[in-house]
This record gives sequence, C-alpha cells and structure tokens, in this order.
Amino acid sequence: ETGVTQTPRHLVMGMTNKKSLKCEQHLGHNAMYWYKQSAKKPLELMFVYSLEERVENNSVPSRFSPECPNSSHLFLHLHTLQPEDSALYLCASSQDMGFSYEQYFGPGTRLTVT
Amino acid sequence: AQSVTQLDSQVPVFEEAPVELRCNYSSSVSVYLFWYVQYPNQGLQLLLKYLSGSTLVKGINGFEAEFNKSQTSFHLRKPSVHISDTAEYFCAVKEEWSGNTGKLIFGQGTTLQVKP
Repeated sequence: ETGVTQTPRHLVMGMTNKKSLKCEQHLGHNAMYWYKQSAKKPLELMFVYSLEERVENNSVPSRFSPECPNSSHLFLHLHTLQPEDSALYLCASSQDMGFSYEQYFGPGTRLTVT
Repeated sequence: AQSVTQLDSQVPVFEEAPVELRCNYSSSVSVYLFWYVQYPNQGLQLLLKYLSGSTLVKGINGFEAEFNKSQTSFHLRKPSVHISDTAEYFCAVKEEWSGNTGKLIFGQGTTLQVKP
C-alpha cells in the first residue's frame, strides 16, 4: 500500500448504528486530518492531529469522535448520525503542519445515513 | 474572515481548447496557494502550489497558475485540454498564521467538463 488509504470506501448506516472509518498513511507523516465533503460545498476541516495529539476540533458535533492511536492511523467513530451527515469523508496527511507542507488525500469514504 | 471563491461552478470546454479556472481569495495576511484536482471516486491530488518566488507556477499534467497579489487571484490555466482532464478542481489557501494547525481553506470547486 502506498499513500493514504481509507476503509471502507462506501458505508450505509442507520441513524442508530455505530460505525468507524479508518485511515492509514504510509508516508511517514506527522499530521493527519479529517475533512467532510458535501455536494457543492467547500471541504470542511473537522479534526487535525499532530503526533497523535488533537490540535483542532472545528466545532464538530459530538456524534463524530476521532481517534489517533499512532501517527500512521486515524479513525472517525460515528454514532447516532443524522441524514445531513451523509457526505464524502476524506482523510489527509502532511509531513508536518508548517506553512509549506502539502496535504496528501485518501480516496474517501462515501457515507450514507438512512 | 478568510475565504476562497471559485467564480465558476461548471466550465464546459471542447477538447484541445484552452481553459482558465478562476480563483479569488480574501485574506489580510500572507498566503500560500494550492490547486487540487479530484477525479471521479477519488481523493484530491495536488496539481500545483505557490509558496513564494515567481508568480507563474507550473504543475502536473500541463497546468499552470499565476498568483496576482494585487487582485488576490490565483487562476489555473491549461493551453489545450484533454478528455482526461474532466474532473473537479479545488483552489485552496493556507494563511501564514495557520502553521500550528496546517489549516487549508477550500473554494467550492469547479467542474471542468471536456467535450470531444
């Protein structure tokens, strides 16, 4: 595996379910990010982790719970979601959080909440 | 507050024609600018970035962009497009103060539709 991988690629869940999204980066990076991409809206930054420490929580509802057990893995735990949470969830990583470091994105998880 | 505006939501163009995708930003501090491309069912891929130096930046797949500080713009251009360039294109800005979070601010995206 190379780059940033995400599993599953597609997920359908009911509003009372609990599920988790997984992201893994194979680039040796120190920072990881979760974004939400809704149709025709700008990407919304949700969470930022640097060296496994959360440094940004962008006013995300508590039904989304991130976890970063090490610098290569990032999870997004989901529970009691709403239909408006249906979106593409993108994970990204960067060497560090400095100004010039570009972010590398995974393919995303397409989430549908029924 | 900082923001990024992509002026066209959709740009249809014929194959081998030139194209320009427009991006304007608002910020009171120095910025770093990026263009990303998203092909169907894929994540975002970096096309090019402007950090400093020459205002004309060349990227992958024959794309280039020009940073215009006075007009706060960073338009993306390609002299001759191919069918395979059909995708969603995102302009993004990172402000100088964002170093502690690496925060990227994205525009709404522009869909480039290349027709044969």
